[in-house]
Amino acid sequence: EVQLVESGGGLVQPGGSLRLSCAASGFSFSGFWMTWVRQAPGKGLEWVANIKQGGSEENYLDSVKGRFTISRDNAKKSLYLQMDSLRAEDTAVYYCATNIIGNLCMDVWGQGTTVTVSS
Amino acid sequence: QSVLTQPPSVSAAPGQKVTISCSGSSSNIGTNYVSWYQHLPATAPKLLIYENYRRPSGIPDRFSGSMSGTSATLGITGLQTGDEADYYCGTWDNRLRVWVFGGGTKVTVL
Repeated sequence: EVQLVESGGGLVQPGGSLRLSCAASGFSFSGFWMTWVRQAPGKGLEWVANIKQGGSEENYLDSVKGRFTISRDNAKKSLYLQMDSLRAEDTAVYYCATNIIGNLCMDVWGQGTTVTVSS
Repeated sequence: QSVLTQPPSVSAAPGQKVTISCSGSSSNIGTNYVSWYQHLPATAPKLLIYENYRRPSGIPDRFSGSMSGTSATLGITGLQTGDEADYYCGTWDNRLRVWVFGGGTKVTVL
């Protein structure tokens, strides 16, 4: 079964750090772009970052550039999001996702992990 | 303000049809494939349409996608109470070098 499972969410103070993980199974992880998407309370879906198969290309939402770092370990079939200098507006459910079925889409999603930035 | 513009809400009676528009520009919808997602509270988003009009396995043909220039449309026919959800369009923007989602459209079954 194709599956993505996120972990690492929690409560953190403003200015703090958190590292999210996403464990993949059931597909050839190293062959696909991976993506992080978030949804803040009461808001819509917001793309955060993505990373190419071998890790040679990363793209970021402007508001997280310089604070968040996406990475992957293909041997461990895992995706990561290092989040530093966290702000209240980063509070959201964070999903990892990938596109196996076709071009420019996200057909496999994790269940999400919740990040709350508050003092 | 989202790069892709969707109506905030649409509604119709059970069995009827709704359409959701997604308006973009030449740097996103005008150039790249559009996909559509259904999102229910506390669940993972679900891909409904990819590459403008293709349906993943298991998605009923009540859901359809179409394109015209820099706009895309999701159609839902035979509306069911289980279709009540938020729907998002999305694509890559070549100029901004980011993925963009529409603001989302809430579908209500009257």
